[in-house]
Amino acid sequence: GAVVSQHPSRVICKSGTSVKIECRSLDFQATTMFWYRQFPKQSLMLMATSNEGSKATYEQGVEKDKFLINHASLTLSTLTVTSAHPEDSSFYICSAVRQGGAKNIQYFGAGTRLSVL
Amino acid sequence: QKEVEQDPGPLSVPEGAIVSLNCTYSNSAFQYFMWYRQYSRKGPELLMYTYSSGNKEDGRFTAQVDKSSKYISLFIRDSQPSDSATYLCAMSPGAGSNYKLTFGKGTLLTVNP
Repeated sequence: GAVVSQHPSRVICKSGTSVKIECRSLDFQATTMFWYRQFPKQSLMLMATSNEGSKATYEQGVEKDKFLINHASLTLSTLTVTSAHPEDSSFYICSAVRQGGAKNIQYFGAGTRLSVL
Repeated sequence: QKEVEQDPGPLSVPEGAIVSLNCTYSNSAFQYFMWYRQYSRKGPELLMYTYSSGNKEDGRFTAQVDKSSKYISLFIRDSQPSDSATYLCAMSPGAGSNYKLTFGKGTLLTVNP
C-alpha cells in the first residue's frame, strides 16, 4: 500500500506556457501533501505544504503566484507552474502523508522532470 | 552550518561489501530519523524509520542513531548491484504538527558486480 502517482513524468514546454502536475494517492487518503524541487546532486527542497481544503503554505523564497497549488480532495493535489521559464526547469516531486498515520512518514511520487525551452 | 550534512560521494563498492552511509546534524530537536533510497529519475522510497537513539535492523539494512553525537548511519550488508542508488537521510523534530522533513543531499552508491 501507500502508492503515490505523479503525472506527467516528463514535460517539455516552451517558455511562457503553464504546466500542471498532478499528485494522487492511489490507495490511501492524504491529509497533507508536499511539493519538492530537486536539482542535480542536490537534496530535496521543500516548496510548499498542501492541506486538503485549505490554502497551501509556501516556504520562504517560493513565489505562490508562480507555483499554484490546489488540494481539492484527500487524494489529489496539483502544482501549476505558471508562465514557465528556463530557470524553472527541474525535477519536481510530490509526497503524501497517510490520514491517520504518522505525520512524518511521507510517501513519494516518481517525480516530474520539467524542461522549459 | 547546514542542518543536515551528508557526504554526496560517489561511493563505489564491490558486490557483497558492507556499506556504511552517514549523516550528521546540528538541530538537537530532531527526534525521528529516516533513510530513503532514490533510484535515478525516481522518487524517494522509505527504507528505515527510527525514533531517538538506538539501532534498528530490517533484513540487510541496519539504521543507527547516536543523538549524543548527532550522528546517524545506515549499514547495508551483503550489498547487491540492485542497491545502487542515492541514499538520503531525513529527520524531523516530531510526528505531529512538526512533521516537515529535513533532508541530507544524498549519497550516490554504486555496487559493482
